This record gives sequence, structure tokens and C-alpha cells, in this order.
Amino acid sequence: SQTIHQWPATLVQPVGSPLSLECTVEGTSNPNLYWYRQAAGRGLQLLFYSVGIGQISSEVPQNLSASRPQDRQFILSSKKLLLSDSGFYLCAWSRGSQETQYFGPGTRLLVL
Amino acid sequence: EDQVTQSPEALRLQEGESSSLNCSYTVSGLRGLFWYRQDPGKGPEFLFTLYSAGEEKEKERLKATLTKKESFLHITAPKPEDSATYLCAATGPRETSGSRLTFGEGTQLTVNP
Repeated sequence: SQTIHQWPATLVQPVGSPLSLECTVEGTSNPNLYWYRQAAGRGLQLLFYSVGIGQISSEVPQNLSASRPQDRQFILSSKKLLLSDSGFYLCAWSRGSQETQYFGPGTRLLVL
Repeated sequence: EDQVTQSPEALRLQEGESSSLNCSYTVSGLRGLFWYRQDPGKGPEFLFTLYSAGEEKEKERLKATLTKKESFLHITAPKPEDSATYLCAATGPRETSGSRLTFGEGTQLTVNP
């Protein structure tokens, strides 16, 4: 069976500091990978998605970037965090030929 | 632009009181309609995928249905453990939507014992 991991679970960072959130998937190969942000515990906003190593599509212009250094690893980064970057960050995966996305446990980020 | 609207925003039910959640979508060439359950502080848990109008899927007390304009999540005889936020999402043709899911804002369901 497939498992998706995210860490850290919770992070408190000062404004202007760097960020690195990691997501890994087990039990599948060549998954599509996604980063979402959820504000106020409601709707999800797609930030980035990747269909393969080194292939990143950005959905919204922002202070964040994403990388996929390995097949089952997806990283969300920032050089300098803003207050507005606070939120709940979710990683998801799907099989390349299918649409259903499966989510990880999420990372709660608070920027002070 | 694809849009997904869920109603009501919040719903309180008594245990055993059946009801339905609504998800209206504006997606040309719908390729999939998805329902997720999300508990506080956790990632969304996949429930159902519906592909075409008339399709229905069931899981325990939940049944999801799909028409050409909306989807319903019917909850029969709910229990307190069904309390959660239910999210609906949709995707259109691969040529225009790619791997993108458009999410609604969710319905926060509370079931009182």
C-alpha cells in the first residue's frame, strides 16, 4: 500500500527566515506530486505540481518554490518567509494516469 | 474558469438525523468529481470519485451522487464520529485542467449525540 509522509508536522518561524518542507511517498513509482496551502481550515489552493523528477509547474506567483530531487520526494522552499506564508501545507500524490489525489498529514506553519 | 461551490457552509445534525450536502460545479467537460473528509488538523481523507452523471457510490453511511451540474453527499443516520469538514473537488479535461483539482470551501458537519 502507498503511504505519504510530511515533516515537520508543525513549524514556527520568524519573518525573513528560510523554509524547507519535505514530502515523501512510499509504495509507488513515478507519482504526480502536489503542494497545496489551506487557509482557515477550508478550501485548498494548489501551489505546485510535478509529473516527474525536475519537472515543476507553478500555479500562483508567490514567495515559495518547489523542487523534486528524487522520484518520490517533493520539497517546498522559501528563501525569506512572509507573515502571509502562514497556513496549513498539504502534499498529495496521484497515479500518473488517474485523477484521484491522496493527501499527507500536513504541516502547520506559523510565521511570526 | 472552473468553480466549485459547496452548501451549506456548516450543518448541525442530531444523531440519526439524515441530510445531504451539496456541491455545485461549473466545469466544462468534467473528468472527475471528488469527495474528501477532513478532520481538524489533518489532511483530507479520500472518500469517492464520480465520473459521469447518474453515477452513485456508497461507503457505510455515506452515498455520493452526481448530476450534470451538482453532486450530493447523503448522510444516512449519522453518528457523532461523522463530524468533520467535507470537501468537494472537480477537474476538467486534461488539455485545460491538467492535474489541477478545483476545491470548494467545504461543509463543516457537526453531529450531536
